[in-house]
Amino acid sequence: EVQLVESGGGSIQPGGSLRLACAASGFTFDKYALSWVRHVTGKGLEWVAGISGGEFTYFPDSVKGRFSISRDNSKNTVYLQMDSLSAEDTATYHCVKEVGYNIGWFFDSWGQGTLVTVSS
Amino acid sequence: EIVMTQSPASVTVSPGESVTLSCRATRNLSNNLAWYQQRPGQSPRLLISGASTRATDVPDRFSGGGSGTEFTLTISSLQAEDSAVYYCQHYNGWPRTFGRGTKVEIK
Repeated sequence: EVQLVESGGGSIQPGGSLRLACAASGFTFDKYALSWVRHVTGKGLEWVAGISGGEFTYFPDSVKGRFSISRDNSKNTVYLQMDSLSAEDTATYHCVKEVGYNIGWFFDSWGQGTLVTVSS
Repeated sequence: EIVMTQSPASVTVSPGESVTLSCRATRNLSNNLAWYQQRPGQSPRLLISGASTRATDVPDRFSGGGSGTEFTLTISSLQAEDSAVYYCQHYNGWPRTFGRGTKVEIK
């Protein structure tokens, strides 16, 4: 069974940084791309970062230059580094497994999410 | 960016009835569309990909249709466990975007 367990969320002041982690199990980690999708209450879902099995990274314009994503295949863990945070980044962040080695498809497993609150 | 519009925003149906949810895209997606179900207190779950292919363990009460810019998700013989928010998501370019969801409530 695929499991994705996020950690690292919390409260942070505007302009601050936070690093989220996602520990994965139940599949061959280095054979799959992984992404982060955030859920803003009342606004829906937004894909914010993705990393392929080959460690190519992808971001939408809304977070490009502020967010980075990395993976440690030895630890079956993917990370999301978030810098220059603003209130608009307040959301629950889900780690999601892509259906293949490359980015660009849909998501077949989701973690429970970790809440990030940006507020002064 | 492709904008995904879902309708209705919410719907209430009786057990045993059927409901059809709509998802519209601002550009042609071919059949590169997925549907997800998010029950209260849970993370989203993949229901449909390729506009009409059910994911593993998804009951055949769920059926997806459409192509291009107009898509539907039909849930037949509704059960209490189908109470959830349903999201569509395209994967026909960058960035991948989601609709804002349709909330299905069971009377």
